[in-house]
Amino acid sequence: NAGVTQTPKFQVLKTGQSMTLQCAQDMNHNSMYWYRQDPGMGLRLIYYSASEGTTDKGEVPNGYNVSRLNKREFSLRLESAAPSQTSVYFCASSPLGGYYQPQHFGDGTRLSIL
Amino acid sequence: KNQVEQSPQSLIILEGKNCTLQCNYTVSPFSNLRWYKQDTGRGPVSLTIMTFSENTKSNGRYTATLDADTKQSSLHITASQLSDSASYICVVSAEQAGTALIFGKGTTLSVSS
Repeated sequence: NAGVTQTPKFQVLKTGQSMTLQCAQDMNHNSMYWYRQDPGMGLRLIYYSASEGTTDKGEVPNGYNVSRLNKREFSLRLESAAPSQTSVYFCASSPLGGYYQPQHFGDGTRLSIL
Repeated sequence: KNQVEQSPQSLIILEGKNCTLQCNYTVSPFSNLRWYKQDTGRGPVSLTIMTFSENTKSNGRYTATLDADTKQSSLHITASQLSDSASYICVVSAEQAGTALIFGKGTTLSVSS
């Protein structure tokens, strides 16, 4: 039972490069989320998808785009990476809108931008 | 402004001892409060979820309490084990926020033998 799988686990980019972080869940959850976690700060929501076919901005969406490819997969794209985007990125999913449901997290992608 | 404050920032205890972590929040209107455990290099894992009507909820050696009047919560860990070493994150959901959760910065617990 894999739960939420994120790829890659580690990545180093140069400023201006682009890349896509992949996330897949096998729990048949409707809602999926992307967060970033920075030292000394709580997790912050970048984008979320309440259900297949919908996406919405979270607290810190600038510099990112997302795609809900299907019910299982939710990807996060950095079009032109900046050093300020160096962070640990977590994908999460929940059965409904997360209102009273726990969110299940992947183990993160550690991204460094030089 | 909706905020979640946790204390202490870090804590070191001996194996077998009990400890209590604190969470104060200013989120309004309150919907529910969650505690997550995050091991180093891993994603957060849910421990408990409590709505405003719940005062206590347990998950094994973990017991969370909630006082919605004073907007305080605590996480009590009984008979600590080395595997309890982790960051413990308090998360609050506001009714108006829908899917948005407000995360605390976490308390880092180190259990030593």
